[in-house]
Amino acid sequence: SYVLTQPPSVSVAPGQMARITCGANNIGTKSVHWYQQKPGQAPVLVDYDASDRPSGIPQRFSGSNSGNTATLTISRVEAGDEADYYCQVFDFDSDHYVFGTGTKVTVL
Amino acid sequence: QVQLVQSGAEVMKPGASVKVSCKASGYTFTGYYIHWVRQAPGQGLEWMGWINPNSGGPNYAQNFQGRVTMTRDTSINTVYMQLSGLRFDDTAVYFCARLNPLLGDFDYWGQGTLVTVSS
Repeated sequence: SYVLTQPPSVSVAPGQMARITCGANNIGTKSVHWYQQKPGQAPVLVDYDASDRPSGIPQRFSGSNSGNTATLTISRVEAGDEADYYCQVFDFDSDHYVFGTGTKVTVL
Repeated sequence: QVQLVQSGAEVMKPGASVKVSCKASGYTFTGYYIHWVRQAPGQGLEWMGWINPNSGGPNYAQNFQGRVTMTRDTSINTVYMQLSGLRFDDTAVYFCARLNPLLGDFDYWGQGTLVTVSS
C-alpha cells in the first residue's frame, strides 16, 4: 500500500515560516491535497493539488510537490494556525485514497 | 451553501452494528461521490470507502471489506454507512466527505459522528 510519511510535529514562532513535508515514492506525479484539523472539528481543505487554495483560505498557505516530497508552507504563522495537518492523495494502483500520518503544528 | 449533516453519537456493544447517516444539501446530491473517513481517538485519518449517490455503487477500502456497507436514499439526499461486527478498536469519529471530482480532494466534510464501542 502507498504510505505518506509526515513528521509528527513542527514547532514555529509566531511570524515565522512553517514547512510540513509529506514523503512517498514518486509523490510528485500525484495530486496532493492538504487539510487542517483543529481539536474537536472536522478537517478543512487548505490547499489542493499543491497549487491552489479554496476561497477563504489565506495566501499564507501554499503547497508544492516534486520528486518524493510534497510540502505545505505556512508563511507568517499565527496562533490560529496551531492544528494538525494531513496530506492526502489518490493511489491509482490500489484504487484507494490515502492520508498522511499527520503533523501537529505548535505555535510557540 | 453546501452542507453535510451527520447523525448523533452512538454507544454500541461489541459485535453489534451501527448505521451513521449523512444528509447533503446545497448542491446536486447525485453529482458527487460521498466518502467515509474515520479517526480513532488521538489518531490520524483513515479512509473507509465511497458511494456513488447516482448509481448507489460503492467501493470499500480493503481494511473494511466484509464489514462495511454504504447505501443512499436519493429521496432525502442522505447516505448511510453501516459497520458491523463492532470491536473496541472501532471506537472513533466517523466523517462523511464530498469528493471534488476534478482534483480528488475532499472539499466539504460532515461534522463527524462519535461511535463508542463499549461493553
